[in-house]
Amino acid sequence: EVQLVESGGGLVKPGASLKLSCVASGFTFSDYWMSWVRQTPGKTMEWIGDIKYDGSYTNYAPSLKNRFTISRDNAKSTLYLQMSNVRSEDTATYYCTRELGAPDYWGQGVMVTVSS
Amino acid sequence: NTVMTQSPTSMFTSVGDRVTISCKASQNVGINVAWYQQETGQSPKRLIYWASNRDTGVPDRFTGSGSGTDFTLTISNMQAEDPAIYYCLQHNSYPLTFGSGTKLEIK
Repeated sequence: EVQLVESGGGLVKPGASLKLSCVASGFTFSDYWMSWVRQTPGKTMEWIGDIKYDGSYTNYAPSLKNRFTISRDNAKSTLYLQMSNVRSEDTATYYCTRELGAPDYWGQGVMVTVSS
Repeated sequence: NTVMTQSPTSMFTSVGDRVTISCKASQNVGINVAWYQQETGQSPKRLIYWASNRDTGVPDRFTGSGSGTDFTLTISNMQAEDPAIYYCLQHNSYPLTFGSGTKLEIK
């Protein structure tokens, strides 16, 4: 069974940094592109970016590429999202997804709240 | 960016109704469209990929159609377990983009 389990969310102050993790199981992690998607409290979905199966290439939403970095550790079957200089508009639930063309499996999500 | 214009924003339906949700892409996306269902408090679940292919275990009352710029998700016989928010997604070009969602409720 494919499982994606995110962690690392919480309450952070504007301007701070935060790193989310996603541990994958139930499939060969190193065979798949992976991505992060976020959903605002108003239910808007935004694709953040993805990373190639070997970690050699990444794509980002243009509005986020200067502050967010996606990486992976295939030995640990773990995907990461490094968020820097966070803003109130980054408040959202962050999902880790496996990509097969479009995202097919999603984690349960982790909440990030940016507030002073 | 490719804009996915989804309609309606919300609708009330009855059990047994035929429901149609539309997504229009701002440019040609081929058949690179997926549809997702998000029940309250849950993660999104993919229903349809490559515009018209049902994911494993998805009931056949869910049908996806379209190509190019116009796409449709049809629920042929609304069931009590189908209220949710439904989203379309294009993955033809980066960045991937979602529709704004359609909230389906039972009257």
